[in-house]
Amino acid sequence: NAGVTQTPKFQVLKTGQSMTLQCAQDMNHEYMSWYRQDPGMGLRLIHYSVGAGITDQGEVPNGYNVSRSTTEDFPLRLLSAAPSQTSVYFCASSPSGGGAKNIQYFGAGTRLSVL
Amino acid sequence: AQSVTQPDIHITVSEGASLELRCNYSYGATPYLFWYVQSPGQGLQLLLKYFSGDTLVQGIKGFEAEFKRSQSSFNLRKPSVHWSDAAEYFCAVGAGYSTLTFGKGTMLLVSP
Repeated sequence: NAGVTQTPKFQVLKTGQSMTLQCAQDMNHEYMSWYRQDPGMGLRLIHYSVGAGITDQGEVPNGYNVSRSTTEDFPLRLLSAAPSQTSVYFCASSPSGGGAKNIQYFGAGTRLSVL
Repeated sequence: AQSVTQPDIHITVSEGASLELRCNYSYGATPYLFWYVQSPGQGLQLLLKYFSGDTLVQGIKGFEAEFKRSQSSFNLRKPSVHWSDAAEYFCAVGAGYSTLTFGKGTMLLVSP
């Protein structure tokens, strides 16, 4: 049972490069989210999706784009990487219905360094 | 907007001693509260959750938490800490559309 799968696990970028962090879930969950984790800051919501074709911004969306063409996948795009985007990124999913009390299932994270 | 405060950045506990990690929340509606644990280099694992009903909830690994509405708190407890409990602990409140607002975390160190 794979759950939430994130790739790659590690990535080093140069300033200005672009890349896509992949997230896939096999639990048929409607809701998916991206968080970033920085020391002393906890996890902060970047973008989220309530279903295929629907996305919205979270607390720290600047510099990131998302799309949701299928239920399973929710990629996060960095169009022009900046050192401030050095962080650990977590993808999460949760089932439909129940709103805020849905349990979220997290991937193992992608550790990104921007030089 | 909702918020979560974990007042302790680091806590050191002797192995076998009891543990309490503090969490205070701010949320206008009925809160849905969670505790997650993160071991070094790992993702987040759900320890326990509170939705409604009994204010003392049991979780995995011998942890429990008590919801106190009057104090806006959801403190995590364990009667006897093991070395393997050393990790970072996050309190979170459920917000709209199944998103979470997290506290900044408390790092638990366990001394022999």
